Amino acid sequence: GNSVTQMEGPVTLSEEAFLTINCTYTATGYPSLFWYVQYPGEGLQLLLKATKADDKGSNKGFEATYRKETTSFHLEKGSVQVSDSAVYFCALSEGYNQGGKLIFGQGTELSVKP
Amino acid sequence: DAGVTQSPTHLIKTRGQQVTLRCSPKSGHDTVSWYQQALGQGPQFIFQYYEEEERQRGNFPDRFSGHQFPNYSSELNVNALLLGDSALYLCASRKGYEAFFGQGTRLTVV
Repeated sequence: GNSVTQMEGPVTLSEEAFLTINCTYTATGYPSLFWYVQYPGEGLQLLLKATKADDKGSNKGFEATYRKETTSFHLEKGSVQVSDSAVYFCALSEGYNQGGKLIFGQGTELSVKP
Repeated sequence: DAGVTQSPTHLIKTRGQQVTLRCSPKSGHDTVSWYQQALGQGPQFIFQYYEEEERQRGNFPDRFSGHQFPNYSSELNVNALLLGDSALYLCASRKGYEAFFGQGTRLTVV
């Protein structure tokens, strides 16, 4: 079945460092890909999305490119802030016509130190 | 515009009891999904409701059931609670590709 694999955390960075969180997926068909962020004690917030190959999703300085050839959707940010500390989830959607069910990775905890 | 709202925020139940969790979707959204998030894990899909019917179901036992009302709000019911049912239960509403999540209900089974 479809699945998502993320790099394990926790990831600890200093403020203004470059961030990469790796995400690879296994899917049949043409899924949409998402990054969600979860702050302590809260639900999930959509960070960015890409609905087809070579699309680049971006938001709040974060970027990810849908790479079909490597089945990857790595999250990057050029300069992290303390406020970016959270758990990040990569997810795929099996497609609107398949019900749009989301399959999540296990999450990567990011801690940014001043 | 209120987002997805869930109630209650926290709940403690005894093993063997039954529980009902509630969700109101974002305005204009007609599809509601429920997810279970165990501590330190990613959310797992339970089921999805559209037009008051269960449209898709994940790998969860029949103890997990749900309902969607004409106003698109939804309930998740869990019978015969087990200690392993302790988790954060998330509701998501959707219209199109993007799903919006509520804050979740933290269920603790003792």
